[in-house]
Amino acid sequence: DVKVTQSSRYLVKRTGEKVFLECVQDMDHENMFWYRQDPGLGLRLIYFSYDVKMKEKGDIPEGYSVSREKKERFSLILESASTNQTSMYLCASSLVGAGGNQPQHFGDGTRLSIL
Amino acid sequence: AQSVTQLDSQVPVFEEAPVELRCNYSSSVSVYLFWYVQYPNQGLQLLLKYLSGSTLVKGINGFEAEFNKSQTSFHLRKPSVHISDTAEYFCAVSDPGYSTLTFGKGTMLLVSP
Repeated sequence: DVKVTQSSRYLVKRTGEKVFLECVQDMDHENMFWYRQDPGLGLRLIYFSYDVKMKEKGDIPEGYSVSREKKERFSLILESASTNQTSMYLCASSLVGAGGNQPQHFGDGTRLSIL
Repeated sequence: AQSVTQLDSQVPVFEEAPVELRCNYSSSVSVYLFWYVQYPNQGLQLLLKYLSGSTLVKGINGFEAEFNKSQTSFHLRKPSVHISDTAEYFCAVSDPGYSTLTFGKGTMLLVSP
């Protein structure tokens, strides 16, 4: 089974702090994704990466950056945390498929609170 | 751009009753379709997927979904639900040419005794 591990289940940080969320997958997947999940809004894609050192903006990249130095690890960075970034953050990974036919595998999420 | 509409934000149902969760998508090209389930305090888990072939797709935990191209729908069904099916369900569609997915806003299935 694919295992996607997010480093923290719960995290509390202060406004203005630089925040790192870490995600590791163990199945040699090429693609990795970061989403945020808010009630009534579903999942919204922040960034994704299809290879080491490669990244693409998703639908809501503002206020975030990412890093992928190794294939198995994808980090989400909040450069200067703000209260409107309080949310559930989900990491996912997938194989490269033809036209998106590969399912994504999700971690258990990090519930981040910015005070 | 793709869009996915889950018509019901909440569906209350009694245990052992049948249920249908509705999903419509907008796309002018062929797509792949997925249903995911999220139990409380967990990530999303794949229920089933439609890639090609038979329009009736069977998934885990007794769920199935039917792909209807003319109506651009992919509704999820279960003939008899259990308390443990209480969870949030997300429909997703692939983005042509990419490995990304567009998700619906989710439907909360509430099963009561």
